[in-house]
Amino acid sequence: KAGVTQTPRYLIKTRGQQVTLSCSPISGHRSVSWYQQTPGQGLQFLFEYFSETQRNKGNFPGRFSGRQFSNSRSEMNVSTLELGDSALYLCASSPPGSGRADTQYFGPGTRLTVL
Amino acid sequence: AQSVTQPDIHITVSEGASLELRCNYSYGATPYLFWYVQSPGQGLQLLLKYFSGDTLVQGIKGFEAEFKRSQSSFNLRKPSVHWSDAAEYFCAVGAVENQGGKLIFGQGTELSVKP
Repeated sequence: KAGVTQTPRYLIKTRGQQVTLSCSPISGHRSVSWYQQTPGQGLQFLFEYFSETQRNKGNFPGRFSGRQFSNSRSEMNVSTLELGDSALYLCASSPPGSGRADTQYFGPGTRLTVL
Repeated sequence: AQSVTQPDIHITVSEGASLELRCNYSYGATPYLFWYVQSPGQGLQLLLKYFSGDTLVQGIKGFEAEFKRSQSSFNLRKPSVHWSDAAEYFCAVGAVENQGGKLIFGQGTELSVKP
């Protein structure tokens, strides 16, 4: 099976702009989670989607949003970019489960640089 | 509060030597525990996981980890390190909230391997 794919792999934006990142989960996986990785804060959970519904959300401002489509592909959007949003954004998918913390399989990430 | 602590930020070992990376967790219920590895510029690769049962779990690339409830630990071990093991290692606990799952990560341990 193909793994989790994320596009684009690299992105450069300027402050105030918005950005959309895309994630395609492993075939058959219905849960998609997003994480932000920075040198200072480490890996932090952004949100999780399951069957097109946000099921869980981390402690990030409302500028960070996401959605999931009927084919389980997910996008996350960051509006009004700030310098501190520069990070590696990782997407992970999980096989169908009961909502418990099933094994998450990660994509290669999107490296976002905000200038 | 749920948390994961990896006490060692950076470890250097000689090739062929044994390795132990420490992980301590804080979680009220039965934990779901994971070790992931990240090479520079890459996503996270799952090494092994513990859900229940045998407290010594085997993973890929010759890694193993032992769950010790009394010590709230889940240390990762490898008997003989190879130069290709140089990477960053993350311990994580799976948490269930709001009907969804998420991973809470430690800060990571960077492993360097001396020839």
